[in-house]
Amino acid sequence: ELKVEQNPLFLSMQEGKNYTIYCNYSTTSDRLYWYRQDPGKSLESLFVLLSNGAVKQEGRLMASLDTKARLSTLHITAAVHDLSATYFCAVDGSQGGKLIFGQGTELSVKP
Amino acid sequence: GAGVSQTPSNKVTEKGKYVELRCDPISGHTALYWYRQSLGQGPEFLIYFQGTGAADDSGLPNDRFFAVRPEGSVSTLKIQRTERGDSAVYLCASSPPGTPFGGELFFGEGSRLTVL
Repeated sequence: ELKVEQNPLFLSMQEGKNYTIYCNYSTTSDRLYWYRQDPGKSLESLFVLLSNGAVKQEGRLMASLDTKARLSTLHITAAVHDLSATYFCAVDGSQGGKLIFGQGTELSVKP
Repeated sequence: GAGVSQTPSNKVTEKGKYVELRCDPISGHTALYWYRQSLGQGPEFLIYFQGTGAADDSGLPNDRFFAVRPEGSVSTLKIQRTERGDSAVYLCASSPPGTPFGGELFFGEGSRLTVL
């Protein structure tokens, strides 16, 4: 059974600092997704990583995928308050769109 | 429509009642997914449709839950004899053709179900 684990689950950051969120998964997959969720809202797609070594960047966020280590990272550079949200990674468990989500990382960026 | 539309946005019902939750996917999207999200948790897969047929319903928790997509567009998630543990946000997502396997999912705002 595919399991997806994120850490940390809660992250309080100061503005301007850098940090990394980790996503580990238990079985082979080369499709990994990062989503953002604001309180009371739905999930917004951030990154789609479809191969080993894939790296994508958007603004202050950069995501990477190492399929051999079964690890993805979401790196935050010079955090700003607008990045406060819950971030989920999800792994394709069956090549059929059955995404298995991690528990989420609740990020709070404080001035 | 511009995005995935779900109705109702909020539903409060009593234990034992029947509920239906509706999802209207993005026009042209062939795949449709239902997820359930409990407070403080990640979304949990329920069922996935490719066209009219359920391609994978392995996430449905028990036989009280059923979903249909009769014309390959709008889907309805049906819950019989609701229990308090069914309280959650039910999320619908769709994905475009050409990416049936592990494609990017576009989520709706969800239907918040509260069972009293």
